[in-house]
Amino acid sequence: ETGVTQTPRHLVMGMTNKKSLKCEQHLGHNAMYWYKQSAKKPLELMFVYNFKEQTENNSVPSRFSPECPNSSHLFLHLHTLQPEDSALYLCASSQDRRANSPLHFGNGTRLTVT
Amino acid sequence: QKEVEQNSGPLSVPEGAIASLNCTYSDRGSQSFFWYRQYSGKSPELIMFIYSNGDKEDGRFTAQLNKASQYVSLLIRDSQPSDSATYLCAVGASGGGADGLTFGKGTHLIIQP
Repeated sequence: ETGVTQTPRHLVMGMTNKKSLKCEQHLGHNAMYWYKQSAKKPLELMFVYNFKEQTENNSVPSRFSPECPNSSHLFLHLHTLQPEDSALYLCASSQDRRANSPLHFGNGTRLTVT
Repeated sequence: QKEVEQNSGPLSVPEGAIASLNCTYSDRGSQSFFWYRQYSGKSPELIMFIYSNGDKEDGRFTAQLNKASQYVSLLIRDSQPSDSATYLCAVGASGGGADGLTFGKGTHLIIQP
């Protein structure tokens, strides 16, 4: 496999459920990211990991909990979500955290909270 | 608060013409600039990046950067229906350490056959 792989592609969950999104990158990159994309809004950065260390948390509610066990894998654990959390969640990776490192995105998980 | 502004469109261009997409940014110290293409229901795909003032060409695509005016543009020559997509402008932070990229809302481009 190549690139950035996300699973599942689609997820429907109730507000009381607990689920996890998974991301794996095969590019040898050292930085991984979670972005949220909602309709009519720009991509919103949620979390950044560099060499497995979390370096950014953009005031994301605690109902979103990231986990990065190694430089190739990234998870987003979800619990007690709200309907307004329905969005496309994108994982991305880059060589490192330098400003000129392009992001490579996975295919995303389309999340619907009912 | 860093901002990246794009005209949301839709921008309608006849097939074979030049499509011109524009982007302005607020952080004067920004160092890196990217254009992503996103088809409906798909994830963003990197198509161009530029770091220095001037033009950078890659096939039918040309990125133009003017740091003094804080704008970056993307030109698509010989536009094809397959170029119809949303184009996202993204700007890398100043100051060295990155906190990801700041994205604009995107411009919806329609190439009319």
